[in-house]
Amino acid sequence: GDSVTQTEGQVALSEEDFLTIHCNYSASGYPTLFWYVQYPGEGPQLLFRASRDKEKGSSRGFEATYDKGTTSFHLRKASVQESDSAVYYCALSDRVGDNSKLIWGLGTSLVVNP
Amino acid sequence: GGIITQTPKFLIGQEGQKLTLKCQQNFNHDTMYWYRQDSGKGLRLIYYSITENDLQKGDLSEGYDASREKKSSFSLTVTSAQKNEMAVFLCASSIEGTGGNTLYFGEGSRLIVV
Repeated sequence: GDSVTQTEGQVALSEEDFLTIHCNYSASGYPTLFWYVQYPGEGPQLLFRASRDKEKGSSRGFEATYDKGTTSFHLRKASVQESDSAVYYCALSDRVGDNSKLIWGLGTSLVVNP
Repeated sequence: GGIITQTPKFLIGQEGQKLTLKCQQNFNHDTMYWYRQDSGKGLRLIYYSITENDLQKGDLSEGYDASREKKSSFSLTVTSAQKNEMAVFLCASSIEGTGGNTLYFGEGSRLIVV
C-alpha cells in the first residue's frame, strides 16, 4: 500500500541554519503531496501542496519540489527562525476515489535554538 | 474564514469510563474526521464522515464510536477508556473527500485517564 517516510524524527538547529526534512513516498500514479505544520498547542495546518512532477510548493520561506523520479518531497528552508519550531508532517493523498485516506508521515519535530 | 472548535480541551476520566469528545465546524464542509495523535506515531484516522448521519471507519476505530447528527458537528466516544489511550484527539474537516483537498484542524483535545 501507499506510504510516507520521514527520515528525521527530531531536528535541532540554531537560528539562520539551513533546514532539510526528508520525505519519501511510495504510491502509484500521481498522488498529491502535502506538508503540514503543527505549532505547539495548535492543530496541524497546511503549509503547501504539490500535485505534479517538478511542481514546487512554497510558503513562509519553506519550499519542496515534487520529484517523481526519486519519489521525494523534501522540505527546505534557507534560514530558520526560533518561531519555526514545530512538528512538520509530510502527507500523501491517493487520487483514486473521493473518500480515500490521507496518508501521514510520522512527523519531524523541529527545535530552533536562539 | 471558518473555525473548528473542539470541546473539552482536556478530558479527564477513569479507566473503563465512557468519554465523549465534541467537534463543531462552521466552514460548512461536507467531510469531518477524527484523528488520534501519539508522540512519534503521527496521525491515525479513527473515524470520518462524508455527510450528516454517515460514518466510515478508519484504521483505529476499535474501541471508539462516532456520531454525525448534524453537518456541523461530529462527536467521538471512547467506549471504555484505558490508560494507554492517553493521547491528543484532533478533529478536522474538508470540503469533500481527502483526495487533494486541504484539511482544517481544531486545536485538539487531550485525553487523560486516571
